[in-house]
Amino acid sequence: AQSVTQPDIHITVSEGASLELRCNYSYGATPYLFWYVQSPGQGLQLLLKYFSGDTLVQGIKGFEAEFKRSQSSFNLRKPSVHWSDAAEYFCAVGAKAAGNKLTFGGGTRVLVKP
Amino acid sequence: SAVISQKPSRDICQRGTSLTIQCQVDSQVTMMFWYRQQPGQSLTLIATANQGSEATYESGFVIDKFPISRPNLTFSTLTVSNMSPEDSSIYLCSVGTSGSGETQYFGPGTRLLVL
Repeated sequence: AQSVTQPDIHITVSEGASLELRCNYSYGATPYLFWYVQSPGQGLQLLLKYFSGDTLVQGIKGFEAEFKRSQSSFNLRKPSVHWSDAAEYFCAVGAKAAGNKLTFGGGTRVLVKP
Repeated sequence: SAVISQKPSRDICQRGTSLTIQCQVDSQVTMMFWYRQQPGQSLTLIATANQGSEATYESGFVIDKFPISRPNLTFSTLTVSNMSPEDSSIYLCSVGTSGSGETQYFGPGTRLLVL
């Protein structure tokens, strides 16, 4: 069965500072990996995804993520955070063999200090 | 990506009643899913909505409580039946298209409060 762990429940970062959100997954084969963002009162927006190929993927809003098979990780990064990045971030894993169903991590809430 | 709408966007309901949530997509999609997000929690898959056949439910979710319809490739409904305060959640539909591979895009969600 698939599982996803986001070790950090909350992260506070100053505006302009860098951000890294951790995600670890468990799955027998190479999964499909996703990062979504949920702003307050909103639905989920896809930031980026990894299926195969280059392990460093670029997404929207200046985010990137790196797939590390040896560490079963898919950490999300942004070099310089903007106040509008304050939101909840979810890592998710899916697999064609699992009917493309997504399993979500618990989420990381990001607070941005001025 | 597809444009997804949900109705209602929010509702307050009395216990023991039922609410039907609609999910409409602006193009035909191959996959539709329903998720629940309890307050302060992550998302949990309720079921896969199959076009023309019964939905496939995840462990812990049953058809009598969450009946789902999917009459065509652009529309699905989720009913929350005989509601209790524990059903207070955000309910989200998501879609996947053959063009997007295994990527799912989410609707804006329906915020349900049961009193």
